[in-house]
Amino acid sequence: DAKTTQPPSMDCAEGRAANLPCNHSTISGNEYVYWYRQIHSQGPQYIIHGLKNNETNEMASLIITEDRKSSTLILPHATLRDTAVYYCIAPTSGTYKYIFGTGTRLKVLA
Amino acid sequence: EPEVTQTPSHQVTQMGQEVILRCVPISNHLYFYWYRQILGQKVEFLVSFYNNEISEKSEIFDDQFSVERPDGSNFTLKIRSTKLEDSAMYFCASSESFDTPGSPLHFGNGTRLTVT
Repeated sequence: DAKTTQPPSMDCAEGRAANLPCNHSTISGNEYVYWYRQIHSQGPQYIIHGLKNNETNEMASLIITEDRKSSTLILPHATLRDTAVYYCIAPTSGTYKYIFGTGTRLKVLA
Repeated sequence: EPEVTQTPSHQVTQMGQEVILRCVPISNHLYFYWYRQILGQKVEFLVSFYNNEISEKSEIFDDQFSVERPDGSNFTLKIRSTKLEDSAMYFCASSESFDTPGSPLHFGNGTRLTVT
């Protein structure tokens, strides 16, 4: 897997945008970037993924730099329920496994 | 929205006993996975399964582990002789198709296995 680097923790005020960065400088041209989150000990929840273009869905937006070496997950209006560990994953193309790092522990503050 | 379901949510077993963890993947998905997470540690890949065969497995997935798709809906993980260190959350996941570019994994909420 491409090595991903994320800050260990971040705080965000409720109602504000949460911007979670990820570095994946060794990513290959055909490797996607996926974002998941894990609330308490629940199963990882899929949020969004992208290859080159920016992506948006009902949960979040994903901004990928032009050189694809980093990306940012944006939660536009964070709520207390968004408190979780967020994982950025860039699995090697052709493999079926994800390598989870330690992620970013996001705490949304009231 | 379709989801991956896992049963039981919590399983307690004695060391040396066999356990079977069960999963019902999303119905049109073709790829199936097991991951585990020891308390306080990272989520770790165990095995992937496609077309009734193991596609990849990690070093953790030794001879004590096996997977099976016994029918058209279930996907199971068997641990033959459990050890204390097998205590963990076990997550099943499925994905639609390798041919669908970037098809993400969808995870269940896990089975907490406690080996005493």
